[in-house]
This record gives sequence, structure tokens and C-alpha cells, in this order.
Amino acid sequence: EVHLVESGGGLVQPGGSLRLSCAASGFTFSSYAMSWVRQAPGKGLEWVSAISGSGSSTYFADSLKGRFTISRDNSKNTLYLHINSLRAEDTAVYHCAKSHMYSYYMDVWGKGTTVTVSS
Amino acid sequence: AIQLTQYPSSLSASVGDRVTIACRASQDINNDLAWYQQKPGTAPKVLIHDASSLESGVPSRFSGSGSGTDFTLTISSLQPEDFATYYCQQFNSYPLDFGQGTRLEIK
Repeated sequence: EVHLVESGGGLVQPGGSLRLSCAASGFTFSSYAMSWVRQAPGKGLEWVSAISGSGSSTYFADSLKGRFTISRDNSKNTLYLHINSLRAEDTAVYHCAKSHMYSYYMDVWGKGTTVTVSS
Repeated sequence: AIQLTQYPSSLSASVGDRVTIACRASQDINNDLAWYQQKPGTAPKVLIHDASSLESGVPSRFSGSGSGTDFTLTISSLQPEDFATYYCQQFNSYPLDFGQGTRLEIK
């Protein structure tokens, strides 16, 4: 069974940094693009970033370029999201999602990890 | 970036009703559109991909149509478990933005 489990969330002070992880299982991880999607409390879904299966190509939401870094370790079947200079508006549940191989919609989602930015 | 406008933002309906949610893209995205359902406290779930293809395991009362810039999600006969929030998403080009969401509530 395909499974995605996020970790690394927590309470962080403004200006701090955080690395989120997403452990994948049940599929050939290196063959699929992966994304991060976040959802602020009471708000809609916001696509954050994506990375190709090899890790050679990365993409970011226009408003988030510069503070976010996406990476993956295919030997560990793990996806990462590093966030710098955290702001209150980064408070959200962060989901990782697997893209379908041919159409890049997100066919499998993790339950998410919660990031709270507050002093 | 391609903008998606989803409407209505909220909708009240009764069990058994037929409902339609619309999503308009700011430019031609062919049929590169997916629809997701999200219930409170849970991850989104894909219902429709490639504008009109039903994801495996999704009930046939869900259907999608459209191509180019105008798309719709239809639920033919609402069931109690369908009350949720629905999002469209384009995957034609990055960034893979979502629509604003449609909250479907019980009348």
C-alpha cells in the first residue's frame, strides 16, 4: 500500500527555520515527482513546491521563492522541505503528495504535519 | 501563473440533490485539471483527473467535464458523506495552483 508520513512540524519562533520530512513507502519513490501543499487554519489549499523524481528539477509558488527549499533522498525514500525565516503566515498543516506518473495531479497524500510560528 | 476561479464559494444542498461546481482557468490548460474532496481534519482526496476521468474507487455519482478554460464537477445525487469542501487544481504548468474551494453544506 502506498503511504506517505510527514514529520518535523512544531512550534517555531518567527525568524527560525525548520525541516519537514515525508517518508514514502509502497512505491518506487525515485520514479515520481513529489509536492508539498499547505493549508493555513480555516483557509484553502496552497501548493508550495514540487520536485522531479530524480531531484534535478524543482518548482516553487511565486510568493514563496527564496525561503523554501525542496529536496529528496531517493536512497531513503524521503522528501524534505526546508523553510527559513519563518513568519506567522507560514503557520499551516503541511502535506506531502505524490504525483501521478503521467498526469501530474496528486494521487496520494500524507495526513500532514502542523507548523506553528509564534513567539 | 495560471489563475483558477472556482464558484460558488459555498453551496447549500439536500441529500439527493444534483449539484455542480465550476472552475475557470485564466488560460487554456487543455484537460489538465483535477478535482479534490476534503473533509475537516483530513487530507484531500482526488476524485477526478484529466478533467473527466474518475479516480479508481470514487463513486460514479461524481463526474467532471470541460476542457480549455471551463470545467465543472457534478455530483448527481448527493449523499450524506459528500458534504465537504471541493477544490480544483490545474497541472498544466507550474505553479500547480488550486482554486479557492467550494464548501458544500447541508441545507
